Amino acid sequence: EVQLVESGGGLVQPGGSLRLSCAASGFTFSSYWMSWVRQAPGKGLEWVANIKQDGSEKYYVDSVKGRFTISRDNAKNSLYLQMNSLRAEDTAVYYCARGRGANTVNFDYWGQGTLVTVSS
Amino acid sequence: DIQMTQSPSTLSASVGDRVTITCRASQSISSWLAWYQQKPGKAPKLLIYKASSLESGVPSRFSGSGSGTEFTLTISSLQPDDFATYYCQQYNSYSLTFGGGTKVEIK
Repeated sequence: EVQLVESGGGLVQPGGSLRLSCAASGFTFSSYWMSWVRQAPGKGLEWVANIKQDGSEKYYVDSVKGRFTISRDNAKNSLYLQMNSLRAEDTAVYYCARGRGANTVNFDYWGQGTLVTVSS
Repeated sequence: DIQMTQSPSTLSASVGDRVTITCRASQSISSWLAWYQQKPGKAPKLLIYKASSLESGVPSRFSGSGSGTEFTLTISSLQPDDFATYYCQQYNSYSLTFGGGTKVEIK
């Protein structure tokens, strides 16, 4: 059974940092694009970042470029999101999601999400 | 960046109704479009990929159509379990965008 389990969310002050993790199981992690998608309270879905199977390609939404870094450790079946210089508008539930096919980035499996709250 | 515009933002319907949701892209995305269903407090669920392909396990009352810049999601006969919010997502490039969502409410 495919499982994605996020962790690392919490309350952080503006300007602070947080590292999210996503533990994957039930599939060959190194064969799939992986992504982070977020959802602010009461709002719609917003794609945050993608990473290719071997980590050689990474893409970010403009609002997080230079502040967030996506990475992965295929040996540990884990996806990460390092978030620096956090702002109030980064407050959201953050989901990790698996690309459906080898080279596609629509998402067939999602984690349960982890809440990040940026507030003083 | 490619912008995705969904309409309507809210839809009131009754069980058994035929429901159509539209998604428009700001430029051609070929058929690289997915549809998701999301219920409160839950992660989204993939319904349709590549504009018209039904994801495994999704009821056949859901269907998708379109290509280029205009796409539709149709629910042929709305069921109680279908009251939720629906999102389109383009994946024509690796910089992705979602539509703003359509909430399907009970009439």
